[in-house]
Amino acid sequence: KAGVTQTPRYLIKTRGQQVTLSCSPISGHRSVSWYQQTPGQGLQFLFEYFSETQRNKGNFPGRFSGRQFSNSRSEMNVSTLELGDSALYLCASTPRGGSFTDTQYFGPGTRLTVL
Amino acid sequence: QKEVEQNSGPLSVPEGAIASLNCTYSDRGSQSFFWYRQYSGKSPELIMSIYSNGDKEDGRFTAQLNKASQYVSLLIRDSQPSDSATYLCAVNSFSGGYNKLIFGAGTRLAVHP
Repeated sequence: KAGVTQTPRYLIKTRGQQVTLSCSPISGHRSVSWYQQTPGQGLQFLFEYFSETQRNKGNFPGRFSGRQFSNSRSEMNVSTLELGDSALYLCASTPRGGSFTDTQYFGPGTRLTVL
Repeated sequence: QKEVEQNSGPLSVPEGAIASLNCTYSDRGSQSFFWYRQYSGKSPELIMSIYSNGDKEDGRFTAQLNKASQYVSLLIRDSQPSDSATYLCAVNSFSGGYNKLIFGAGTRLAVHP
């Protein structure tokens, strides 16, 4: 079974621009979570989507948004990029989410650099 | 107080030794605990999950959970240079009725020949 895929793998943007990242979960998985990983803050939860609905949200500004499509693929968008948004953005999928036994499987990540 | 705390390391152990990685968490309602390994420049990969107090063994890895002390650990026996990586502890937390994972900052392990 194919793993979680993320595109693009690398991205370079300038301040003020916006960016859209894509994530395709493992086949059959319906829950997708997004994380930001930086050297200083570690892995931080952005939001989770299930059945096209945002179910959970972390403490990030409104510039960070996401959505999920009917095929469970998810996108996240960051508007008005700031230098501090440079990070590795990770997507993780689980079969259904919502259960404490759910295991999250990570994609390879998108490395975003903001200049 | 951080929700999930880990010693950042680096933890340096000789090849063949036991590496002991520790994690404490603040949410007493947490029910699931995960250890992920992350190589430099790569994404986290799951090593083990544990839900009940006690030990859980999988090959060279043993996870230990003590909910009363809010403590979870990972032991790596017969450490190999290929085990050199950052180990992330993750703990579930219910927020708004739904489950999410809170990660520690990770412990960097270096296994030297």
